[in-house]
Amino acid sequence: DAGVTQSPTHLIKTRGQQVTLRCSPKSGHDTVSWYQQALGQGPQFIFQYYEEEERQRGNFPDRFSGHQFPNYSSELNVNALLLGDSALYLCASSYWTSHGGYEQYFGPGTRLTVT
Amino acid sequence: AQKVTQAQTEISVVEKEDVTLDCVYETRDTTYYLFWYKQPPSGELVFLIRRNSFDEQNEISGRYSWNFQKSTSSFNFTITASQVVDSAVYFCALSEAMNTGFQKLVFGTGTRLLVSP
Repeated sequence: DAGVTQSPTHLIKTRGQQVTLRCSPKSGHDTVSWYQQALGQGPQFIFQYYEEEERQRGNFPDRFSGHQFPNYSSELNVNALLLGDSALYLCASSYWTSHGGYEQYFGPGTRLTVT
Repeated sequence: AQKVTQAQTEISVVEKEDVTLDCVYETRDTTYYLFWYKQPPSGELVFLIRRNSFDEQNEISGRYSWNFQKSTSSFNFTITASQVVDSAVYFCALSEAMNTGFQKLVFGTGTRLLVSP
């Protein structure tokens, strides 16, 4: 059973460029969340997708956008990259339950460096 | 607002020592979940445990044990007889429970554990 997969593993971009990161959730999981982890910090919630819709969003500008596909995979897009966007981007998948509690399983992350 | 505090930035121990990682949380919710994740150098967050706010029973899993105390808003993690492979950054996280099923994790800043031979 494959876990959460993310691509690419590493990425180097220049300020002002745009980037797309991809995530495939764990089998059976229908919900995908994205987190940004700056060096030496804990992950920060960006947004979550369920049924191809953005359900909740953290404190991130509109330059950060996403998409979820019918097969539950997801993309994170960042426009007009800033040096401060350099971070490890983590995707987490989970499944919806009526009681609202479930584990989020994380992928290995994509290390984005903006120069 | 929810908040998780991990006051220990880095802990160094020698193999076979016991070590406790502290976690203090803040929330106004009566129903919430607490988590511990391990992040080895590879970067992937590895799920260790989830505990809901109604279950204060301590849990033991092999060399790992967790102590949840609502009275002090703490959810501490103890590794018994530490091993070099335990070296990693450990994160405590909190989420609120919503009937919509939405769950956002709020993480602490992590504790780096270094276990030397």
